[in-house]
Parts: sequence; C-alpha cells; structure tokens
Amino acid sequence: AQSVSQHNHHVILSEAASLELGCNYSYGGTVNLFWYVQYPGQHLQLLLKYFSGDPLVKGIKGFEAEFIKSKFSFNLRKPSVQWSDTAEYFCAVSNDYKLSFGAGTTVTVRA
Amino acid sequence: DVKVTQSSRYLVKRTGEKVFLECVQDMDHENMFWYRQDPGLGLRLIYFSYDVKMKEKGDIPEGYSVSREKKERFSLILESASTNQTSMYLCASSSYGDTQYFGPGTRLTVL
Repeated sequence: AQSVSQHNHHVILSEAASLELGCNYSYGGTVNLFWYVQYPGQHLQLLLKYFSGDPLVKGIKGFEAEFIKSKFSFNLRKPSVQWSDTAEYFCAVSNDYKLSFGAGTTVTVRA
Repeated sequence: DVKVTQSSRYLVKRTGEKVFLECVQDMDHENMFWYRQDPGLGLRLIYFSYDVKMKEKGDIPEGYSVSREKKERFSLILESASTNQTSMYLCASSSYGDTQYFGPGTRLTVL
C-alpha cells in the first residue's frame, strides 16, 4: 500500500510571502499525483494534477507543483500568497482509481 | 461542471442507530467513493464502487457497509452508529483513473 507524507501540519505566513508545501509518497510504480484544497466551509476541490509529461505543472490561482521522481516528491508552490489562500491543502497519490491522501497542511495567511 | 451532492450537511444520531448517508453524482462516473475526514489524519477511504452493485473495501471498512443500486447513487450505511464514527464524511466520484470530484461533506455527530 502506498503512503503519503506531508511535511508540515500548520504553516503561518504573511501576505506576499512565498509558500512551499512538501509531499512525499512511498509507492515505487507509476503514479498520478494531485493537490486538493479545502477553503473554510467549502468542499474539497482540485488544485492541480500530474499524470505524465512536463514534471512542472500549473494549477489554479497561481499554484504550481514539481514532480521529482527520484525523490518521490510532489511539492506545491506559490510565489506570493494572498489572504484568500488560507485553507487546508492535501496531497494525494493514486496508482489505479484509488487515492491515498496525506494528513493535510493547514495554511494560514495573515493580512 | 461535475456535481456531487450529499443528502445532509449536518446529522446528529444516537449510539446504536442505523444511519444512511446518500451521495448522488450527475456525470455518469463509473467510480464512487466514501471517505471520512478527521483532523490530523487526512482522508481515509472507507469503501468504493467501480460499477453498479460492485463494491470494494477501502482502508477502514469496519462498522460500515455500502449500497450502489444505480450508477449515480452510492449510499454509506452505519449499521449501529458508535461515538467513534463521529466525523466528516465525504463522497467522491470519478471516471476510471481520472480526477475525483468531491461532495460538500456530511458532518455526523453520534451522541
């Protein structure tokens, strides 16, 4: 079974700061990789995904993530965060149609 | 837009009651999933279904059962609710190997 590890439980930063959230997984085969976001009071929604091709993928709201196969990592980045980026972020990995999720990282952006 | 709806946003039940959580998707997806979301644990898969009347156990199926009589509807059943089943329950659907789309969740409290 695959496992997904997110490095930070809670991140607090100021507006305009850069954000990087770490994600590592344990499965050695071909995987699909996702970042989901859950804004306060809203349902879980897809931020970006990687299936194949360019390992640097761009998602909604200025987020991007880089797949590094040799490090089993899929880290999420945003160069300059806004207050509206306050949310919980989940990394997820699948190798068929099942997803394994990390524990989540709560990001609080202070105005 | 994909729409996944869940029958209730909030539910309060008593220990020992039988509980039904309903999920409906409108995108003709083959796969449907039930997760529970708990702080610090991320999302954990309870059951999933890859076709009508087909189901497979996820990572934490104990105390739960499911039913999928129609393609668009997937029900989660708690045969005898217990306090440790107090949680947020999320339903999702997908086409094979593709992105999962989530419903708004049902926050269940078992007293």
